[in-house]
Amino acid sequence: DQQVKQNSPSLSVQEGRISILNCDYTNSMFDYFLWYKKYPAEGPTFLISISSIKDKNEDGRFTVFLNKSAKHLSLHIVPSQPGDSAVYFCAASAVYNQGGKLIFGQGTELSVKP
Amino acid sequence: EAGVTQSPTHLIKTRGQQATLRCSPISGHTSVYWYQQALGLGLQFLLWYDEGEERNRGNFPPRFSGRQFPNYSSELNVNALELEDSALYLCASSLRQGQGSYEQYFGPGTRLTVT
Repeated sequence: DQQVKQNSPSLSVQEGRISILNCDYTNSMFDYFLWYKKYPAEGPTFLISISSIKDKNEDGRFTVFLNKSAKHLSLHIVPSQPGDSAVYFCAASAVYNQGGKLIFGQGTELSVKP
Repeated sequence: EAGVTQSPTHLIKTRGQQATLRCSPISGHTSVYWYQQALGLGLQFLLWYDEGEERNRGNFPPRFSGRQFPNYSSELNVNALELEDSALYLCASSLRQGQGSYEQYFGPGTRLTVT
């Protein structure tokens, strides 16, 4: 049972344009969501998070949007840079129910072309 | 500030042996988490330790076990290794639950190869 889904395995974007990565979840108990960036054979790097009490969180070029009714979140990167090329994972947690356990999506490989 | 560290970087074992992986959390973090990323699969939650206690466990057999020491570092032990245990094992740390921040910060991982 895949509770967190990233339906696009890959995304290609031109440098300077917006990258939009999507994530859907099924468990309504999830109350905290995170995005990570990962290079091969390295650990994930935390990017940005959002609590279920908010619908938007912004940090520099990264903005995460949460639509609880649709059980959908997205990560916007503006403007995209070649250094953003990596695999992006969304993760969800039911903090008050399951504590720190993160459930990850399968990842979306972003390629930003110069 | 030092990040999460893991050792060894690579580990090669044969089937049936035991593997021990180590993790040191970020200073001030009391929670340690272990995840497995097998080839072609996503990150799967293994174990969560906080204040020396196992708090939650993923859907893995009992031969996956661990512990957390008084200095909050942690060990993951995998007994009776099987070929499908070959994976990247990632450790993450966070502040204690309830301190308002739930972000987990990951180490570089240990690549375990079982032959």
